[in-house]
Amino acid sequence: GDSVTQMEGPVTLSEEAFLTINCTYTATGYPSLFWYVQYPGEGLQLLLKATKADDKGSNKGFEATYRKETTSFHLEKGSVQVSDSAVYFCALSSPNTGNQFYFGTGTSLTVIP
Amino acid sequence: DAGVIQSPRHEVTEMGQEVTLRCKPISGHNSLFWYRQTMMRGLELLIYFNNNVPIDDSGMPEDRFSAKMPNASFSTLKIQPSEPRDSAVYFCASSNDPAEEAFFGQGTRLTVV
Repeated sequence: GDSVTQMEGPVTLSEEAFLTINCTYTATGYPSLFWYVQYPGEGLQLLLKATKADDKGSNKGFEATYRKETTSFHLEKGSVQVSDSAVYFCALSSPNTGNQFYFGTGTSLTVIP
Repeated sequence: DAGVIQSPRHEVTEMGQEVTLRCKPISGHNSLFWYRQTMMRGLELLIYFNNNVPIDDSGMPEDRFSAKMPNASFSTLKIQPSEPRDSAVYFCASSNDPAEEAFFGQGTRLTVV
């Protein structure tokens, strides 16, 4: 069945460091791919999304490109800030599975000054 | 729209008691999801409704858990009897069909003592 595998955490970076969180997926057909962010004590919020191959989603300095050839959707940011400290979830949704959402296990990011 | 609304935000109950969690999805959304989040198991899908009909309840842990969606604007998740291992944050999310993104509520933090 459809699934998402993302990089284990936790990840600790210094402010202004480069961030990569890996995400790969398994799906039939052509899923939509998402990155969600969860700040402490809050629900998940959409960070960015891509709905077809080679699309690049971007928001708040974060980017991820839908790579069908490698079935990947890695999250990147060139210069992280303390305020980026949160848990990041990769997810997919596909009409082949009734538009059900499949989430990865989450990657905790801590950015230190 | 006020977003997905969950109540209560916090619930503390004694083992053996019945607990009911409530969710109001975003108006016009026809898919609703209940998730459970714990440190040990991460984010788990419990049940997925589409047009008020349960589509996939394979994630419901056991018979103590039940979920209903009597109409498009309301859903409940009931645990009877509750046990300490049910302590978690329970999230409700809703989306359109076909799914563009899932919108999450703020969650209900359940503590069973």
